[in-house]
Amino acid sequence: AQTVTQSQPEMSVQEAETVTLSCTYDTSENNYYLFWYKQPPSRQMILVIRQEAYKQQNATENRFSVNFQKAAKSFSLKISDSQLGDTAMYFCAFIPGAGGATNKLIFGTGTLLAVQP
Amino acid sequence: DTGVSQNPRHKITKRGQNVTFRCDPISEHNRLYWYRQTLGQGPEFLTYFQNEAQLEKSRLLSDRFSAERPKGSFSTLEIQRTEQGDSAMYLCASSLEKGQFFGPGTRLTVL
Repeated sequence: AQTVTQSQPEMSVQEAETVTLSCTYDTSENNYYLFWYKQPPSRQMILVIRQEAYKQQNATENRFSVNFQKAAKSFSLKISDSQLGDTAMYFCAFIPGAGGATNKLIFGTGTLLAVQP
Repeated sequence: DTGVSQNPRHKITKRGQNVTFRCDPISEHNRLYWYRQTLGQGPEFLTYFQNEAQLEKSRLLSDRFSAERPKGSFSTLEIQRTEQGDSAMYLCASSLEKGQFFGPGTRLTVL
């Protein structure tokens, strides 16, 4: 079965601090793509960061970075210098197979992050 | 606005009625996806189009659901004989290569 597990239903962080959201996944594929999406209270899903499984280098996008551990099937998201606008539900997702953007996303159940002033 | 758009944003209907949702993808994207999201859950895949061809359908997509993408541009998702269990947010996404970009969704409430 291809699944995504986010074991932290809710997290809280102080503004300007760093927070790490956890994600593990299960797949028998060797090539796949991993994503973190953000869904603010307005409900529009926003792509935060993407990682190709064949790349060993961890992806970074400004204050967002990932720690990709392929052997452990772990894909955590680190948010540095947290801002109030980072308050949202964060979903970890992956696309099994080498097709990249051609196949369906499999999502976890999400982590609700609250950034406190 | 060059993002994915969906209409209507909200739909309230009575059980047994038919509803249709529309999705306009980002213009150069040839791949289009429909997902369903219920409260407290991540989105679940429903169906996928490449251009006008429907290439994959989930088992979640019962016979009451049908999706089309004529001419490979906008897409419609129709639910016939709605049931209360169909109440959810219906999300559309499009992609070219790097990741899928989502629309704001259509929230369906079946009374």
